[in-house]
Amino acid sequence: KAGVTQTPRYLIKTRGQQVTLSCSPISGHRSVSWYQQTPGQGLQFLFEYFSETQRNKGNFPGRFSGRQFSNSRSEMNVSTLELGDSALYLCASSGRQGGADTQYFGPGTRLTVL
Amino acid sequence: SQQGEEDPQALSIQEGENATMNCSYKTSINNLQWYRQNSGRGLVHLILIRSNEREKHSGRLRVTLDTSKKSSSLLITASRAADTASYFCATMGGAQKLVFGQGTRLTINP
Repeated sequence: KAGVTQTPRYLIKTRGQQVTLSCSPISGHRSVSWYQQTPGQGLQFLFEYFSETQRNKGNFPGRFSGRQFSNSRSEMNVSTLELGDSALYLCASSGRQGGADTQYFGPGTRLTVL
Repeated sequence: SQQGEEDPQALSIQEGENATMNCSYKTSINNLQWYRQNSGRGLVHLILIRSNEREKHSGRLRVTLDTSKKSSSLLITASRAADTASYFCATMGGAQKLVFGQGTRLTINP
């Protein structure tokens, strides 16, 4: 099976702009989660989608949003970018319908905000 | 916020030696997972141990879990240069959401 893919791999934006990141899960996986990784805060959970519904949400401002399509592909959007949004954004997919299970991560999108 | 702490923050050993990393967490868990990350790339899943398990093996990896002490350890035996990476523990409660530690940066010297 192909792994989790994320596009683009690298992005450079300026403050105030918005950005959309894309994630394609492993075939058959219905849960997609997003994480932010920064040197200061480490790895932090953003949100999780399952069957096109946001099921869990982390402690991030409303500028961070996401959605999931019927084919389980997911996008996350960050509006009004701030310098502090510079980070590696990781997407993970999981196969089980309920309960806790292994999450498989993509290579990430490195976002730089200037 | 981070679930807990990893110890040590950095570890440097000679190739062939064993490496042990520890992880502590704060809340009750469903399972605990260990991941490896090379140079800011994606996370590679290593092993998952459920809350009702005490020890698990996978190749050169051995993970223990002590839920009474809210701690876990990862042992890598017979280390290789390719094991150089950052290692993260992550806990999962009832929700499909991982809470990560700060990680241990492991360097294997040839």
